[in-house]
Parts: sequence; C-alpha cells; structure tokens
Amino acid sequence: GDSVTQMEGPVTLSEEAFLTINCTYTATGYPSLFWYVQYPGEGLQLLLKATKADDKGSNKGFEATYRKETTSFHLEKGSVQVSDSAVYFCALSDPQGGSEKLVFGKGTKLTVNP
Amino acid sequence: NAGVTQTPKFRILKIGQSMTLQCAQDMNHNYMYWYRQDPGMGLKLIYYSVGAGITDKGEVPNGYNVSRSTTEDFPLRLELAAPSQTSVYFCASSYSKAGSKLFFGSGTQLSVL
Repeated sequence: GDSVTQMEGPVTLSEEAFLTINCTYTATGYPSLFWYVQYPGEGLQLLLKATKADDKGSNKGFEATYRKETTSFHLEKGSVQVSDSAVYFCALSDPQGGSEKLVFGKGTKLTVNP
Repeated sequence: NAGVTQTPKFRILKIGQSMTLQCAQDMNHNYMYWYRQDPGMGLKLIYYSVGAGITDKGEVPNGYNVSRSTTEDFPLRLELAAPSQTSVYFCASSYSKAGSKLFFGSGTQLSVL
C-alpha cells in the first residue's frame, strides 16, 4: 500500500540555519504530495503541496519539489526562525491508486534555538 | 470564521466508560475525518465520511463508532474505553477528496486510566 517515510527527529537548529527534512514515498498511482505543520497545542495546517512531477510547492520561505525519479518530496528552508519550531508531516493522497485519504508520515519535530 | 471545532479539549476516562468526541465544521465541507495521533507514530485514520449519511472505516476503527446525520457534525463515539485509546484525536474536513486541503480542529487529548 501507499506509505510515507520521513527522516527521524528531533531536529535542533540555530536561528538562520538551513533546514532539510527528508521525505520519500511509495504509491501505486500518481499521488499528490503535501507538507503539513503542527505548532504546539494546535491542529495541523497545510504548509505546501505539489500535484505532479517536477512541481515545486512553496510557502512562508519553505519549498519542496516533487521528484518522481527519486520518489521524494524533501522540505527545505534557507534560514529558519524560532517561530518555525513545530512538527512537520509529509503526506500523500493517491486517488488513482485506490486511496482517497491522506497517508501521513510519522512527523519530524523541529526546534529552532535563538 | 470558526472552521473545525472540537470539544472537549481534554478528558480523562476510566476503563470501560463511554464518551463522545464532538466535531463541527461551518465550511459546508462534504468530507470529514477522524484521526488519532500517538507519540512518534504520526496520524492514523479512524473513520471518514464523504457526506451526510455516509461513513466508512479507516485504518484503526476498532473500538470506535461514528455517525454523520448532518453535513456540519461528525461525532466520534468510544463505547468501552481502554488504555490503548489514550491519544490525541483530531477531526478534519475538506471540500472534496483528500487531494484538496484538509482543515484540522485543535484536537482532543484523551487519557484512559
């Protein structure tokens, strides 16, 4: 079945450091890919998405490129801030593969120190 | 603009007790979902609904029941609470299929002791 694998956390960075959170996926069809973010004490929010190969999703300085050849959707940010401290979830939906629901990775906790 | 509202925010149950987690959305979304989030395990889908009167099981439905009598409301029922149901529960909604954006509530933290 469909699955998402994220890098293990937690990740701790200093402010203004470069961030990469790796995400790879397995899917039967041609999935859409997502990054959701969960700030402390809150529900998840959509951060960015990409619906086809080579698409780049971007929002709030974060970027991720849909790489079909490597089945990856790594999240990057050039300069993190303390306010980026949160848990980040990679997810996919694969309607053509029979799954209309979102499949989530386990999440990666990011802590940014001043 | 309320979005997805979940109640209660926190609850402690004794083994064998029952309760209903409430979820309401005011965006006229057809699709609604219940997830549970266990530490380090990501989110697991419990039940979902594609419209009023239609519900279906997700990955981990055992021990739970749902109903969808209106577009707005999607309550989750725990009949005989067990310690394994200690978790954070999230309700979510979307306008159409999961390829569209999901809107999440702020969660219910449930402990079964």
